[in-house]
Amino acid sequence: GAGVSQSPSNKVTEKGKDVELRCDPISGHTALYWYRQSLGQGLEFLIYFQGNSAPDKSGLPSDRFSAERTGGSVSTLTIQRTQQEDSAVYLCASSLVGPTGNTIYFGEGSWLTVV
Amino acid sequence: QQPVQSPQAVILREGEDAVINCSSSKALYSVHWYRQKHGEAPVFLMILLKGGEQKGHDKISASFNEKKQQSSLYLTASQLSYSGTYFCGTVSGSARQLTFGSGTQLTVLP
Repeated sequence: GAGVSQSPSNKVTEKGKDVELRCDPISGHTALYWYRQSLGQGLEFLIYFQGNSAPDKSGLPSDRFSAERTGGSVSTLTIQRTQQEDSAVYLCASSLVGPTGNTIYFGEGSWLTVV
Repeated sequence: QQPVQSPQAVILREGEDAVINCSSSKALYSVHWYRQKHGEAPVFLMILLKGGEQKGHDKISASFNEKKQQSSLYLTASQLSYSGTYFCGTVSGSARQLTFGSGTQLTVLP
């Protein structure tokens, strides 16, 4: 596709359930990022994939959060046993290579509400 | 390490100028500037790479002082469409991932 595609665009889930959020980056982009944005807050880094290198997971808030990137393209962010504080917009982004000197393109986000 | 942005919010009239600052405690490789409107994804404005480099398009420009680990975004003769939250993102250290500041909410009034 022309841009970064995320699904679902909106998700309402019950506390304690697992959710999966999908990101389809721009074709050919080797770098993929996940950020979280709570209402009215900044962009919180979660995880960064660069090519075949081990991902930088330093931003994942707890072991309930995990992400994988299959075939160097599509990525899935999984949140297990969701809590109300997980409610936020989850933004995926991609760039041609790493972020130094390269434009990062964001998707529209997946709005997660935990009730 | 999250960069620090200032001010947190600014309100100005159409045609006025504004400056948004971004600073880091770590050596920076690059600085990115994005604007986000309510309910939308962040949109890229510009990247700065070198010490003292300046860039700009239309009436928005930015500078990057590598030695001071600071960047500033300059909005001149602001337009209503400039309203939104501005984020600076920095790449520093060995991790080379992009970390964003907490944002500056800019409101341009007619």
